[in-house]
Amino acid sequence: AAGVIQSPRHLIKEKRETATLKCYPIPRHDTVYWYQQGPGQDPQFLISFYEKMQSDKGSIPDRFSAQQFSDYHSELNMSSLELGDSALYFCASSRRNYPNYGYTFGSGTRLTVV
Amino acid sequence: AQKVTQAQTEISVVEKEDVTLDCVYETRDTTYYLFWYKQPPSGELVFLIRRNSFDEQNEISGRYSWNFQKSTSSFNFTITASQVVDSAVYFCALSEERGFQKLVFGTGTRLLVSP
Repeated sequence: AAGVIQSPRHLIKEKRETATLKCYPIPRHDTVYWYQQGPGQDPQFLISFYEKMQSDKGSIPDRFSAQQFSDYHSELNMSSLELGDSALYFCASSRRNYPNYGYTFGSGTRLTVV
Repeated sequence: AQKVTQAQTEISVVEKEDVTLDCVYETRDTTYYLFWYKQPPSGELVFLIRRNSFDEQNEISGRYSWNFQKSTSSFNFTITASQVVDSAVYFCALSEERGFQKLVFGTGTRLLVSP
């Protein structure tokens, strides 16, 4: 079965650079979520999109922005990177109002800021 | 506000022992979903189970079982006859409202199974 695809798997950036993470949801899933997991921490919700509109927002820094495109894939843009942005970034997808479609996470993107 | 508490930070057992991971949640909603995920050292989040608030039946899947008790707001996870491959961090998570919203995770329990 198709899963949530995230790219890249690993990313190394320098401070003050920008990074773009991509997420391709499971087909027919209409909602995408982004989470950030710092070292030794639990995943923290950043932002979500439903049918290409932002549906919820967590503790996402102003330096970060995201969007969902017409093909339902999503991109998380991170600017002015700081050392503290080093983390695992997960994308998840689901189909709203159809819980039996599941809530599936991608394998994550490990971002290292040096 | 929703909250998930996993009071056990780390548990160490010897192979073949049974182990129970505790999860207590708080929510004001009557409709919600509870999840367990496994995170091995490789980092991915592996889905184990989803339970909705209207289904209090306990579930068994191989060596895994889950005990959902609304009266105590708990959703505990038991591994029977643990194996070294069970070593991982286990997260309990809560999602409120119909149609799935964001997940709120507990802080996780690190399980170490030694041979």
